[in-house]
Amino acid sequence: AQSVTQPDIHITVSEGASLELRCNYSYGATPYLFWYVQSPGQGLQLLLKYFSGDTLVQGIKGFEAEFKRSQSSFNLRKPSVHWSDAAEYFCVLTTDSWGKLQFGAGTQVVVTP
Amino acid sequence: EAQVTQNPRYLITVTGKKLTVTCSQNMNHEYMSWYRQDPGLGLRQIYYSMNVEVTDKGDVPEGYKVSRKEKRNFPLILESPSPNQTSLYFCASSREGLASYEQYFGPGTRLTVT
Repeated sequence: AQSVTQPDIHITVSEGASLELRCNYSYGATPYLFWYVQSPGQGLQLLLKYFSGDTLVQGIKGFEAEFKRSQSSFNLRKPSVHWSDAAEYFCVLTTDSWGKLQFGAGTQVVVTP
Repeated sequence: EAQVTQNPRYLITVTGKKLTVTCSQNMNHEYMSWYRQDPGLGLRQIYYSMNVEVTDKGDVPEGYKVSRKEKRNFPLILESPSPNQTSLYFCASSREGLASYEQYFGPGTRLTVT
């Protein structure tokens, strides 16, 4: 069975500093991977997705993620965070084009001045 | 405006009293899904639908029912709610499945069962 793990429940970062959120998955083949962001009191918004091809994926709001098959990881990065990046971030996996999605438990990001 | 709407946004009910949470999308999307969000667990998929009259179970379907009689609507039904169904519920839709198109999420419904 497939699974997705976000090891960090909570991360605090200073405004302007870099950010990296970790995501590890378990699946025998290459899954479809996504990062979603949930701002306080809001629904979820897609940041980026990986299906195949180039392992470095660019997303919205200046985010990027790198797929590493050898490490079963799909970490999210941003070079310089803004106060508006304070939110909860979810790594999401699916193994087929239609059907079940699995969410990680989420990483809460706090941005300090 | 393209959107997914959910009603009600907030609901407090008692154990055993049947309720329905409605979900509607105006984007002509084929795929719709329901999730519940609980602290420390992320979102867990309850049911999903690939098209009208086609539904399937997600990871936590027990205690829930769904129907997809029209493309735009995907109601979530709790026949006999229990306190462990107290949660934040999200409906989402996608144009054609998940691989190529992002999911659009509704604003959420906060349900409390006493």
